[in-house]
Amino acid sequence: DIQMTQSPSSVSASVGDRVTITCRASQVISSWVAWYQQKPGKAPKLLIYAASSLESGVPSRFIGSGSGRDFTLTISSLQPEDSATYYCQQANSFPLLTFGGGTKVEIK
Amino acid sequence: EVQLMQSGAEVKKPGEFLRISCKVSEYTFTTRWIGWVRQTPGKGLEWMGIIFPPDSGTVYSPSFQGQVTISVDKSVTTAYLQRTRLKASDTAMYYCVTLRNDYGDHFFDNWGQGTLVSVSS
Repeated sequence: DIQMTQSPSSVSASVGDRVTITCRASQVISSWVAWYQQKPGKAPKLLIYAASSLESGVPSRFIGSGSGRDFTLTISSLQPEDSATYYCQQANSFPLLTFGGGTKVEIK
Repeated sequence: EVQLMQSGAEVKKPGEFLRISCKVSEYTFTTRWIGWVRQTPGKGLEWMGIIFPPDSGTVYSPSFQGQVTISVDKSVTTAYLQRTRLKASDTAMYYCVTLRNDYGDHFFDNWGQGTLVSVSS
């Protein structure tokens, strides 16, 4: 199974800061990586797919990048409404789709 | 806009049967793969399986193959997740999702509101 290890597990930053979340795959995978945002009590929401493609309606401050084993989600200028938990997901080994453990982003 | 309306919270005892539902629009039902994702504090998000309603073709995650059954009722454009012989470890939030297949990439582009299942004696 392909494991996705996210880091950090939590981060606290100020409004306007640049925040970077990393997902490392247990082996080299294709660029079939998606990122989701989950706010407390809500379902996850798709932000990024194919490692860097922005889902329609998602603010452009969310930027995905990466290849090989390492993938990142960057929030270029953190906003109060970005307080949430973020998950990566790989699709290299369909039908075994796996998620990372999550990164909680808090606003200072 | 794709809307996925899930059934309400369930409280069950170990060994009981569970079936939860996901009502979708006619258009979504005839064009999209519909699946289920489980979320627990211990194991996080886990994809369980998907079904293509027009032909009821199913694909299960190897982790859940043989453990759950995903089905549809075309007359009411509803997808179901069922599990027999519940265990306490089935306590989780279950999300109905649509799966998008984009040139080989697979990801979940729409999510229902979730159904909380509690299993306890």
